[in-house]
Amino acid sequence: DAGVTQSPTHLIKTRGQHVTLRCSPISGHKSVSWYQQVLGQGPQFIFQYYEKEERGRGNFPDRFSARQFPNYSSELNVNALLLGDSALYLCASSSPGQGHHEQYFGPGTRLTVT
Amino acid sequence: AQSVTQLGSHVSVSEGALVLLRCNYSSSVPPYLFWYVQYPNQGLQLLLKYTSAATLVKGINGFEAEFKKSETSFHLTKPSAHMSDAAEYFCAVSDQPGGTSYGKLTFGQGTILTVHP
Repeated sequence: DAGVTQSPTHLIKTRGQHVTLRCSPISGHKSVSWYQQVLGQGPQFIFQYYEKEERGRGNFPDRFSARQFPNYSSELNVNALLLGDSALYLCASSSPGQGHHEQYFGPGTRLTVT
Repeated sequence: AQSVTQLGSHVSVSEGALVLLRCNYSSSVPPYLFWYVQYPNQGLQLLLKYTSAATLVKGINGFEAEFKKSETSFHLTKPSAHMSDAAEYFCAVSDQPGGTSYGKLTFGQGTILTVHP
């Protein structure tokens, strides 16, 4: 079975631009979560979606938004990019049958803002 | 609010030596606890999890961890380190399922494990 997939793998953007990151969950998983991992730190929770509804939001500015599609894939959007947005963005999927607590992570998208 | 503290940002051991990575948590509700491993330029892989069953949890690659409520600790151990264990390790906590909990993870800062030949 395919794991969580993310695209693109790497991305370079300029300050002020907009970026869209994509995630496809494991087949059968209906929940997707997004995390930001700045170099040298642990991942920080950004959003969680279950059944296409936002179920949790971390302490991130409104420049960050996300959505989940009917096929349970998800997009993370970041507007007005800042240098500090440079990070590895991780997507994780989970199943309600496991209480959502067992999250499976994708390989991440490495975003560099110059 | 939940939090995790990993003691020691870097741990260095010799091949064949005991590995001990420390994690302490803070949670107002009974937690679920996890250890993840991250190899360079990769995502996170689940090593093991504590979900309120047995307090001694065995995971993949010979790792295990013990939940000690009195010490609010969940330290990761491996009896004999292998060169392939060199990676960054993250401890994480989440609420137990139910109610409004959808398994949001709160991670520690990570511990980089170096294994010397």
